[in-house]
Amino acid sequence: GNSVTQMEGPVTLSEEAFLTINCTYTATGYPSLFWYVQYPGEGLQLLLKATKADDKGSNKGFEATYRKETTSFHLEKGSVQVSDSAVYFCALSEGDDMRFGAGTRLTVKP
Amino acid sequence: SAVISQKPSRDICQRGTSLTIQCQVDSQVTMMFWYRQQPGQSLTLIATANQGSEATYESGFVIDKFPISRPNLTFSTLTVSNMSPEDSSIYLCSVVRDVHGYTFGSGTRLTVV
Repeated sequence: GNSVTQMEGPVTLSEEAFLTINCTYTATGYPSLFWYVQYPGEGLQLLLKATKADDKGSNKGFEATYRKETTSFHLEKGSVQVSDSAVYFCALSEGDDMRFGAGTRLTVKP
Repeated sequence: SAVISQKPSRDICQRGTSLTIQCQVDSQVTMMFWYRQQPGQSLTLIATANQGSEATYESGFVIDKFPISRPNLTFSTLTVSNMSPEDSSIYLCSVVRDVHGYTFGSGTRLTVV
């Protein structure tokens, strides 16, 4: 079945550091891929998405590229801020099936 | 990590009826979360359910429409009451796995006709 494997956290970075959170997936077909973010005390929010191979999703300085050859959708940001501290979830959707990664907690220190 | 069994996985319901969604966790957890994902939108938190107390609802969600039960530390139900087509969504329960993140149920895809 479909599944998402996400880098274990927690991740702690200093402000302006480069961020990578790895995400790989297993799917039987051609899923859409997502990154969600959950800020402290809030619900999940869609951060970015990609619907086909080689698509790049981007938002708020975050990027992720849909790599079918490596079945990956790694999240990157060139310079993190304290306000980026949150839990990040990778997810896939294929037809009626939606799967989420376990979440990676990011803490950015000033 | 916690494993969540959520059911039903999908249902098609008539408007005006109610559906109860169940989540069973294989370990005791203090808090359980219920989310909704409407078509083409991100997940939205409906409520947080603690065992032994009333659920805490987010803005825009009320107990009469989405009653929640939390009879023990491993189980919770969400009822979608008096359904309309606008309630057609994916509903997910979630628990805090540990300090590193959350585990989600596989979701219930509800279609109201």
